[in-house]
Amino acid sequence: SAVISQKPSRDICQRGTSLTIQCQVDSQVTMMFWYRQQPGQSLTLIATANQGSEATYESGFVIDKFPISRPNLTFSTLTVSNMSPEDSSIYLCSVEKGRTEAFFGQGTRLTVV
Amino acid sequence: QKEVEQNSGPLSVPEGAIASLNCTYSDRVSQSFFWYRQYSGKSPELIMSIYSNGDKEDGRFTAQLNKASQYVSLLIRDSQPSDSATYLCAVQRDDKIIFGKGTRLHILP
Repeated sequence: SAVISQKPSRDICQRGTSLTIQCQVDSQVTMMFWYRQQPGQSLTLIATANQGSEATYESGFVIDKFPISRPNLTFSTLTVSNMSPEDSSIYLCSVEKGRTEAFFGQGTRLTVV
Repeated sequence: QKEVEQNSGPLSVPEGAIASLNCTYSDRVSQSFFWYRQYSGKSPELIMSIYSNGDKEDGRFTAQLNKASQYVSLLIRDSQPSDSATYLCAVQRDDKIIFGKGTRLHILP
């Protein structure tokens, strides 16, 4: 498995501002993933964070709104930019170990007011 | 058709009985399949992975895979109140893992 530390665990933000979420893994991993889980919904993949190259975004998500950094093999950040109430959600960092099994950080519960 | 489909529930099962959770997927080339458990307010936790047709048992949990029918299931024997949670079926597609919406399971004491 992997130990994943994600912070902040929760935040309340004003609309129009930005929040950066950090994800730290206890071992080197090739790929890190960012998911969003809206209330009562399942996990939606936002993007794959690759070390040494730009993140790969899923349909419906764009770099201007969700810029991602991946400076090394144990760390990544996701920024939620120019926030609106619709961005209120839980954001989860994930890594894959072994045969593509995914492990998750504790999540960041974001409320935009 | 959604990539991974699950009945959202809630599924209510008496304590001590077998809980059966089902999932279908659309991508025939998928090779890896997972069940995650998510308690309210917590992040998902991997409980089973299965890669080949048939059954895979781990304690009270049995995962079943039928690639021809594109069907994955999870059986929980001797259900306990602590098993009450949302169970997410997940399927690998390329380098990504795609999740179903989850089935809420409620174990009745």
